[in-house]
Amino acid sequence: DSGVTQTPKHLITATGQRVTLRCSPRSGDLSVYWYQQSLDQGLQFLIQYYNGEERAKGNILERFSAQQFPDLHSELNLSSLELGDSALYFCASSVDTTGELFFGEGSRLTVL
Amino acid sequence: GESVGLHLPTLSVQEGDNSIINCAYSNSASDYFIWYKQESGKGPQFIIDIRSNMDKRQGQRVTVLLNKTVKHLSLQIAATQPGDSAVYFCAERGGGYQKVTFGTGTKLQVIP
Repeated sequence: DSGVTQTPKHLITATGQRVTLRCSPRSGDLSVYWYQQSLDQGLQFLIQYYNGEERAKGNILERFSAQQFPDLHSELNLSSLELGDSALYFCASSVDTTGELFFGEGSRLTVL
Repeated sequence: GESVGLHLPTLSVQEGDNSIINCAYSNSASDYFIWYKQESGKGPQFIIDIRSNMDKRQGQRVTVLLNKTVKHLSLQIAATQPGDSAVYFCAERGGGYQKVTFGTGTKLQVIP
């Protein structure tokens, strides 16, 4: 158990809908990262937060947004969902911006 | 949980043999490299890391080698066991941006 909690574990929804994925980092970790893992893309970096502030951005679509709250949990919002958004979404946390990343078990999103 | 059916290169090794998994990285400014193991249905798990001022680092049964000249990273697993069967990812942290970028991954299959 990495100490990173992600909910929900599985989510099935329809195209055009909006979903929110939630991540609770390990106790004491200030940095949160979001990754997307799909069939032909491997692990794609989406976005990173440190202590509530956005620190780095990857290939995150405009339909996606994220934030880190004062209690350090983070949410990834996916809107206007398309079939191609079906993937595993991982959250990871680290103590700061230079430490080892600890990953959660992922949220499996299926868009029908 | 479910595994992501990635189209990955596969390395098959006999139980007890040594495994070598290779990775080419792209960013010459990367200053930190990590190997992760991902078992089916789970999030990536940290194995070993190395900073750019080193060329070799050893852990328990694992060794990481870094060749900055050709931007190449390798993971050596000694006396490979069935429990080592997983997908292995190399990752690099780009200097100054802190985002961690993952490689495509290699599937290791251990033949009993």
